[in-house]
Amino acid sequence: DAKTTQPTSMDCAEGRAANLPCNHSTISGNEYVYWYRQIHSQGPQYIIHGLKNNETNEMASLIITEDRKSSTLILPHATLRDTAVYYCIVRSYGQNFVFGPGTRLSVLP
Amino acid sequence: DAGVIQSPRHEVTEMGQEVTLRCKPISGHNSLFWYRQTMMRGLELLIYFNNNVPIDDSGMPEDRFSAKMPNASFSTLKIQPSEPRDSAVYFCASSLTSDQETQYFGPGTRLLVL
Repeated sequence: DAKTTQPTSMDCAEGRAANLPCNHSTISGNEYVYWYRQIHSQGPQYIIHGLKNNETNEMASLIITEDRKSSTLILPHATLRDTAVYYCIVRSYGQNFVFGPGTRLSVLP
Repeated sequence: DAGVIQSPRHEVTEMGQEVTLRCKPISGHNSLFWYRQTMMRGLELLIYFNNNVPIDDSGMPEDRFSAKMPNASFSTLKIQPSEPRDSAVYFCASSLTSDQETQYFGPGTRLLVL
Protein backbone atom coordinates (compact mmCIF):
# COMPACT_ATOMS: atom_id res chain seq x y z
CA ASP A 1 0.00 0.00 0.00
CA ALA A 2 1.30 3.40 -0.98
CA LYS A 3 2.11 5.60 1.98
CA THR A 4 2.07 8.81 -0.05
CA THR A 5 -0.10 10.38 -2.72
CA GLN A 6 1.28 12.91 -5.18
CA PRO A 7 -0.13 14.54 -8.31
CA THR A 8 1.01 12.83 -11.46
CA SER A 9 2.33 15.99 -13.08
CA MET A 10 2.70 19.73 -12.59
CA ASP A 11 3.90 22.70 -14.58
CA CYS A 12 5.73 25.72 -13.28
CA ALA A 13 6.97 28.87 -14.99
CA GLU A 14 10.70 29.46 -14.90
CA GLY A 15 11.68 31.81 -12.09
CA ARG A 16 8.52 31.17 -10.12
CA ALA A 17 8.18 29.05 -7.02
CA ALA A 18 7.28 25.40 -7.55
CA ASN A 19 5.08 23.98 -4.82
CA LEU A 20 4.83 20.20 -4.88
CA PRO A 21 2.24 18.67 -2.56
CA CYS A 22 2.29 15.27 -0.91
CA ASN A 23 -0.38 13.56 1.17
CA HIS A 24 0.68 11.06 3.82
CA SER A 25 -2.39 10.76 6.01
CA THR A 26 -1.31 7.47 7.63
CA ILE A 27 2.15 8.66 8.66
CA SER A 28 3.23 7.39 12.07
CA GLY A 29 5.10 9.28 14.75
CA ASN A 30 8.57 7.99 13.96
CA GLU A 31 8.33 8.36 10.19
CA TYR A 32 10.17 11.07 8.35
CA VAL A 33 9.16 12.76 5.11
CA TYR A 34 11.87 12.62 2.45
CA TRP A 35 12.04 14.17 -0.97
CA TYR A 36 14.18 12.92 -3.82
CA ARG A 37 14.16 13.92 -7.44
CA GLN A 38 15.24 12.19 -10.61
CA ILE A 39 16.33 14.19 -13.58
CA HIS A 40 16.03 12.37 -16.88
CA SER A 41 18.61 9.61 -17.33
CA GLN A 42 20.18 10.24 -13.93
CA GLY A 43 19.99 8.52 -10.57
CA PRO A 44 17.67 9.85 -7.86
CA GLN A 45 19.05 12.81 -5.94
CA TYR A 46 18.33 13.57 -2.30
CA ILE A 47 16.70 16.94 -1.73
CA ILE A 48 15.54 17.29 1.86
CA HIS A 49 13.82 15.50 4.71
CA GLY A 50 12.01 16.38 7.93
CA LEU A 51 10.08 14.95 10.85
CA LYS A 52 7.68 17.66 11.97
CA ASN A 53 9.45 20.99 11.74
CA ASN A 54 9.80 22.90 8.52
CA GLU A 55 13.20 22.48 6.93
CA THR A 56 15.22 24.53 4.47
CA ASN A 57 18.46 23.92 2.66
CA GLU A 58 20.20 25.28 -0.40
CA MET A 59 17.93 23.33 -2.72
CA ALA A 60 14.45 23.62 -1.28
CA SER A 61 12.12 24.13 1.65
CA LEU A 62 9.92 21.49 3.20
CA ILE A 63 6.70 22.54 4.87
CA ILE A 64 4.98 19.87 6.99
CA THR A 65 1.49 20.50 8.31
CA GLU A 66 0.98 20.45 12.05
CA ASP A 67 -0.92 17.16 11.92
CA ARG A 68 1.84 15.80 9.64
CA LYS A 69 -0.69 14.39 7.21
CA SER A 70 0.64 16.37 4.30
CA SER A 71 3.65 18.33 3.20
CA THR A 72 4.83 20.64 0.44
CA LEU A 73 8.20 20.83 -1.21
CA ILE A 74 9.01 24.34 -2.36
CA LEU A 75 11.59 25.20 -4.99
CA PRO A 76 11.74 28.97 -4.52
CA HIS A 77 12.93 29.97 -7.99
CA ALA A 78 12.47 27.09 -10.40
CA THR A 79 14.84 26.80 -13.34
CA LEU A 80 14.67 24.61 -16.43
CA ARG A 81 17.16 22.27 -14.75
CA ASP A 82 14.61 21.55 -12.04
CA THR A 83 12.50 19.64 -14.55
CA ALA A 84 12.40 16.15 -13.05
CA VAL A 85 10.29 13.55 -11.30
CA TYR A 86 9.93 14.38 -7.62
CA TYR A 87 9.39 11.60 -5.11
CA CYS A 88 7.85 12.05 -1.69
CA ILE A 89 8.73 9.15 0.61
CA VAL A 90 7.65 8.40 4.15
CA ARG A 91 10.10 6.28 6.06
CA SER A 92 11.36 5.63 9.56
CA TYR A 93 15.00 4.91 10.25
CA GLY A 94 15.77 1.31 9.41
CA GLN A 95 13.03 0.99 6.81
CA ASN A 96 13.72 0.70 3.12
CA PHE A 97 13.01 3.61 0.82
CA VAL A 98 9.92 2.87 -1.29
CA PHE A 99 9.69 5.04 -4.38
CA GLY A 100 6.23 5.63 -5.83
CA PRO A 101 5.51 7.13 -9.25
CA GLY A 102 6.22 10.67 -8.02
CA THR A 103 5.26 14.00 -9.60
CA ARG A 104 6.64 14.93 -12.98
CA LEU A 105 7.48 18.64 -12.74
CA SER A 106 7.93 20.53 -15.97
CA VAL A 107 9.50 23.97 -15.67
CA LEU A 108 8.45 26.01 -18.66
CA PRO A 109 10.39 28.92 -20.18
CA ASP B 1 34.50 14.04 -3.95
CA ALA B 2 33.64 11.16 -6.25
CA GLY B 3 30.11 9.96 -5.98
CA VAL B 4 28.89 6.43 -6.49
CA ILE B 5 30.53 4.98 -9.57
CA GLN B 6 28.83 2.41 -11.75
CA SER B 7 30.05 0.53 -14.77
CA PRO B 8 29.28 -0.04 -17.49
CA ARG B 9 26.90 2.84 -18.17
CA HIS B 10 25.26 0.95 -20.99
CA GLU B 11 25.15 -2.75 -21.71
CA VAL B 12 23.57 -4.55 -24.64
CA THR B 13 23.63 -8.31 -24.58
CA GLU B 14 21.80 -11.28 -25.98
CA MET B 15 19.42 -13.48 -24.11
CA GLY B 16 21.20 -16.22 -22.23
CA GLN B 17 24.41 -14.30 -21.72
CA GLU B 18 25.87 -13.47 -18.33
CA VAL B 19 25.78 -9.82 -17.33
CA THR B 20 27.85 -8.28 -14.55
CA LEU B 21 27.16 -4.80 -13.24
CA ARG B 22 29.68 -3.05 -11.01
CA CYS B 23 29.47 -0.46 -8.31
CA LYS B 24 31.93 1.49 -6.23
CA PRO B 25 30.25 3.18 -3.27
CA ILE B 26 31.29 6.47 -1.75
CA SER B 27 34.35 6.00 0.41
CA GLY B 28 33.43 5.56 4.06
CA HIS B 29 29.88 4.50 3.40
CA ASN B 30 28.94 1.25 5.09
CA SER B 31 25.69 0.46 3.30
CA LEU B 32 25.16 -0.33 -0.35
CA PHE B 33 21.91 -0.76 -2.22
CA TRP B 34 21.02 -2.16 -5.63
CA TYR B 35 17.82 -0.90 -7.31
CA ARG B 36 16.15 -1.65 -10.62
CA GLN B 37 13.98 0.82 -12.51
CA THR B 38 11.48 -0.02 -15.25
CA MET B 39 8.56 1.84 -16.71
CA MET B 40 6.14 -0.78 -15.49
CA ARG B 41 7.37 -1.24 -11.93
CA GLY B 42 9.20 1.98 -11.16
CA LEU B 43 12.20 1.97 -8.83
CA GLU B 44 12.54 -1.23 -6.80
CA LEU B 45 15.06 -2.23 -4.15
CA LEU B 46 16.72 -5.51 -5.05
CA ILE B 47 19.21 -6.05 -2.21
CA TYR B 48 21.26 -4.13 0.29
CA PHE B 49 24.47 -4.73 2.21
CA ASN B 50 25.69 -3.50 5.59
CA ASN B 51 29.42 -3.72 6.15
CA ASN B 52 29.71 -5.99 3.10
CA VAL B 53 27.10 -8.44 4.43
CA PRO B 54 23.82 -8.94 2.53
CA ILE B 55 20.98 -7.97 4.84
CA ASP B 56 17.83 -8.02 2.75
CA ASP B 57 17.65 -9.72 -0.64
CA SER B 58 13.88 -10.12 -0.71
CA GLY B 59 13.69 -7.89 -3.76
CA MET B 60 15.92 -10.08 -5.89
CA PRO B 61 13.56 -11.38 -8.57
CA GLU B 62 14.87 -14.92 -8.90
CA ASP B 63 17.88 -17.16 -8.69
CA ARG B 64 19.28 -15.80 -11.91
CA PHE B 65 20.22 -12.69 -9.96
CA SER B 66 23.08 -12.64 -7.50
CA ALA B 67 24.99 -9.87 -5.76
CA LYS B 68 28.27 -9.79 -3.94
CA MET B 69 30.28 -7.29 -1.98
CA PRO B 70 33.79 -8.70 -1.52
CA ASN B 71 35.07 -5.53 0.13
CA ALA B 72 33.90 -2.10 1.24
CA SER B 73 34.69 -0.46 -2.06
CA PHE B 74 33.20 -2.83 -4.60
CA SER B 75 30.00 -4.67 -5.36
CA THR B 76 28.67 -6.64 -8.30
CA LEU B 77 25.21 -7.57 -9.48
CA LYS B 78 25.20 -10.56 -11.79
CA ILE B 79 22.44 -11.89 -14.00
CA GLN B 80 22.96 -15.38 -15.39
CA PRO B 81 21.37 -16.20 -17.74
CA SER B 82 19.93 -12.87 -18.80
CA GLU B 83 16.44 -12.55 -20.29
CA PRO B 84 14.75 -9.73 -22.24
CA ARG B 85 12.54 -8.93 -19.24
CA ASP B 86 15.69 -8.01 -17.29
CA SER B 87 16.07 -4.94 -19.48
CA ALA B 88 16.03 -1.97 -17.13
CA VAL B 89 18.18 0.68 -15.53
CA TYR B 90 20.08 -0.64 -12.53
CA PHE B 91 21.12 1.83 -9.86
CA CYS B 92 23.56 1.43 -7.05
CA ALA B 93 23.32 3.67 -3.99
CA SER B 94 25.30 4.01 -0.80
CA SER B 95 24.82 5.59 2.60
CA LEU B 96 26.83 5.97 5.78
CA THR B 97 24.63 3.39 7.48
CA SER B 98 21.42 1.65 6.50
CA ASP B 99 19.56 3.78 9.00
CA GLN B 100 21.11 6.99 7.80
CA GLU B 101 18.69 9.15 5.95
CA THR B 102 20.50 10.00 2.77
CA GLN B 103 21.21 7.47 0.05
CA TYR B 104 23.43 8.68 -2.74
CA PHE B 105 22.71 7.15 -6.10
CA GLY B 106 25.04 6.38 -8.96
CA PRO B 107 24.28 7.25 -12.58
CA GLY B 108 22.91 3.80 -13.31
CA THR B 109 23.58 1.07 -15.86
CA ARG B 110 21.13 0.88 -18.72
CA LEU B 111 20.77 -2.80 -19.63
CA LEU B 112 19.18 -4.06 -22.81
CA VAL B 113 18.81 -7.80 -23.28
CA LEU B 114 17.90 -8.76 -26.82
